Amino acid sequence: GAVVSQHPSRVICKSGTSVKIECRSLDFQATTMFWYRQFPKQSLMLMATSNEGSKATYEQGVEKDKFLINHASLTLSTLTVTSAHPEDSSFYICSGGKDGTNTEAFFGQGTRLTVV
Amino acid sequence: KQEVTQIPAALSVPEGENLVLNCSFTDSAIYNLQWFRQDPGKGLTSLLLIQSSQREQTSGRLNASLDKSSGRSTLYIAASQPGDSATYLCAVNNNNDMRFGAGTRLTVKP
Repeated sequence: GAVVSQHPSRVICKSGTSVKIECRSLDFQATTMFWYRQFPKQSLMLMATSNEGSKATYEQGVEKDKFLINHASLTLSTLTVTSAHPEDSSFYICSGGKDGTNTEAFFGQGTRLTVV
Repeated sequence: KQEVTQIPAALSVPEGENLVLNCSFTDSAIYNLQWFRQDPGKGLTSLLLIQSSQREQTSGRLNASLDKSSGRSTLYIAASQPGDSATYLCAVNNNNDMRFGAGTRLTVKP
């Protein structure tokens, strides 16, 4: 299978600061990457779809100015949580597909964000 | 909009039992369906991927079936072990849009 590397695995930040999470496809080119959020004891919810070289597509209810997504290359997508608040504390996970549509999804290890 | 439901929400069985986890979805026009395992605080481990044209996939003690017309998939775990304890998620892929069920939390008691 393909490998998606996500960093950091855990981060604690103060309210009002910004945090960047990186998602890299190590052995394949991901034209599309997906960002999910998971609150405790809930399932993963898609936040946005990141397309290389173009603007991300955000799901309804997800603030695009708060969750900045950049997909500048075929192997790297980043999610920046700006002006973080405690309610942003969650588990964030990315995934990528080799050709974006009907292939197997490969997930990063996830990032546990705690905003204090 | 695709909705994915998993039943039961939680399941506790003694070691050695065979068990079935259920997943249902509302839109049958899917590309594929994938079963994942998630350990507490961890990411996702892909278990089985079933393409829309397939009926089942097997890996070791795991067998996943897909009935696209009725919007159902099952994950069968044979001879369960304590190490199988985790949350199992099914995810349905509709044209770049992957939707997850809420998961089944499985506990296998020694």
